[in-house]
Amino acid sequence: LAKTTQPISMDSYEGQEVNITCSHNNIATNDYITWYQQFPSQGPRFIIQGYKTKVTNEVASLFIPADRKSSTLSLPRVSLSDTAVYYCLVGDINTGRRALTFGSGTRLQVQP
Amino acid sequence: DGGITQSPKYLFRKEGQNVTLSCEQNLNHDAMYWYRQDPGQGLRLIYYSQIVNDFQKGDIAEGYSVSREKKESFPLTVTSAQKNPTAFYLCASSIPGAGQTYEQYFGPGTRLTVT
Repeated sequence: LAKTTQPISMDSYEGQEVNITCSHNNIATNDYITWYQQFPSQGPRFIIQGYKTKVTNEVASLFIPADRKSSTLSLPRVSLSDTAVYYCLVGDINTGRRALTFGSGTRLQVQP
Repeated sequence: DGGITQSPKYLFRKEGQNVTLSCEQNLNHDAMYWYRQDPGQGLRLIYYSQIVNDFQKGDIAEGYSVSREKKESFPLTVTSAQKNPTAFYLCASSIPGAGQTYEQYFGPGTRLTVT
């Protein structure tokens, strides 16, 4: 089971770029790295997923180095509405269950 | 509109009573999941089902039960055996597709309070 480690909290200001780094030293060969966003009293929402190098969508970018032992979620020009908890996950293939293992996440606070 | 619905949004029960939380999806997804979230914590997996009439225990299944008689529905029963049932419960679904992708779609959640 690949465990992830990410900062408990981060602060930023509107308009800044925010980078949240996640460590996953025991990532398995076939695991993907997935990031979710959660607002209070709501279910998490899928942001982005990748396997290696760089992935970009309309919301964020995901940078994954060659050894895949870490990954960085990049949020360009954050706004107040980006205040949320961000979870980094890697796929659990050991049991074949394909269910997600969530840690405590990173609480991002964006200030005006 | 495709999505996942959970009802009710808020639920109050007395200690010692069983309670069933509803989860319905019209996304035609094969896999469905139940998670529990406590204040300030991440999500923990209770049960999951990859196909109709089959389900597996997650990390914290004690005191819970599920059924999967239809593809669209995956109800969760919180029994009186669950020691600390007060929590936020989230249902999710996904397509167990090729490769190792893990995109899941979550419902709005049910906040259960047991007193």
